Order: sequence, then structure tokens, then C-alpha cells
Amino acid sequence: ILNVEQSPQSLHVQEGDSTNFTCSFPSSNFYALHWYRWETAKSPEALFVMTLNGDEKKKGRISATLNTKEGYSYLYIKGSQPEDSATYLCAFNNAGNMLTFGGGTRLMVKP
Amino acid sequence: EPEVTQTPSHQVTQMGQEVILRCVPISNHLYFYWYRQILGQKVEFLVSFYNNEISEKSEIFDDQFSVERPDGSNFTLKIRSTKLEDSAMYFCAGTSGRSTGELFFGEGSRLTVL
Repeated sequence: ILNVEQSPQSLHVQEGDSTNFTCSFPSSNFYALHWYRWETAKSPEALFVMTLNGDEKKKGRISATLNTKEGYSYLYIKGSQPEDSATYLCAFNNAGNMLTFGGGTRLMVKP
Repeated sequence: EPEVTQTPSHQVTQMGQEVILRCVPISNHLYFYWYRQILGQKVEFLVSFYNNEISEKSEIFDDQFSVERPDGSNFTLKIRSTKLEDSAMYFCAGTSGRSTGELFFGEGSRLTVL
């Protein structure tokens, strides 16, 4: 059983704050690490798929880093907005067909 | 923008009944998946499907579960005899590229087994 953990479980921030959360995953047999954004009553939406150690990816105010040797990825949100409120899921792929998901970080941004 | 559509959005059924959950993936996708999330738990992999056959399945996907894509568009998940513990949100997903391809998810079908 692969262990993928995310922290914190939930996070309340004020509009304008920058924030970050962590995904930890097995450091062996790494193939890819996915980040998804999941708003309530909608479908999870892909943010990033990261494959190389040291990868940094950016989409607007959201960025992510990857360390495959130590088994973690950080997701950063700069200047949080209320519309960033969602659950952020990471998922680990070890070259099979399946993704193993973390439990998610629920972000709430107060105006 | 193309999207994955799932029906029904919510189904309530009695224990022991058969349930079919339907998905229409994005047309140029080749790999298809079912995942589920039991309330309060992590999203779990059930099965992957490629070239009209199962390519991988989890321990959850036992003989009570089956998938098919009979007409090249609809991708269905059938649970033959539902149990209380099958109550969950079931997500269909697809991708054009294996493994490193981002998954495109539907909005989910909530199954409640009474």
C-alpha cells in the first residue's frame, strides 16, 4: 500500500495571504506527481503533472515544486483570493495505471 | 471545452440491487478510469481501461464490479449486488496519455446504498 499524505488537512487564510501545503509520497519507483484542484460540486481539475526531480511549475498565482529524492512536493498560492477556496489533491504515480491520492488540503480564503 | 459527463448524479438503491453508472469520456481520450471516494476518506483507484479491456484493477474491484465500453462512447461501471460499503462518490476519468497525462474527471455519481 502506497502512502501519500498531505498537510495540513485544512487551512483558513485571509484574502491576500500567501500559503503553501505539502504532499509527501514514496521516494522509490517514482514516475509522476499530479496536483488537482477540486471545488465543491465540481470535478477535480488538473493543475500540474510533474515528472522530474527539481521541477518547478507555475500557473498564474499557483506554483509547485518537486523533490523526488526525499519524496515531497509543495504547492504555493501567492496572494490567495476567495475563488482559490477548494480542496487541493496530490496524486502519486509509480508507472502503473493508477494514481494514489493524498487526503487533500481544504483551503478556505476569507474575503 | 470538452468535458467528461456522468449520469446519474445521485442514485439511491437498496442493498443487493444492481447499479450501473455511466460516463461519456472526452472523445479523443484513450485511457479510462473509475475512482471512488467514500465520505471522509481518500480518493481510491478502482480500475483502468484501455483498448477495450481492463489494464489494471485494485483489490476493491472484485467480482461484483465490471466495466465496459460497448459502443465506443459510453464507459460504464456496473455493481452487481450492492453492499452498504459501496456507498461513495464514483468518478470517471480519462486521459489521452498514459501515466504522465493529466486526468480529466467527471463531476461524479453519488451512490447511496440503503
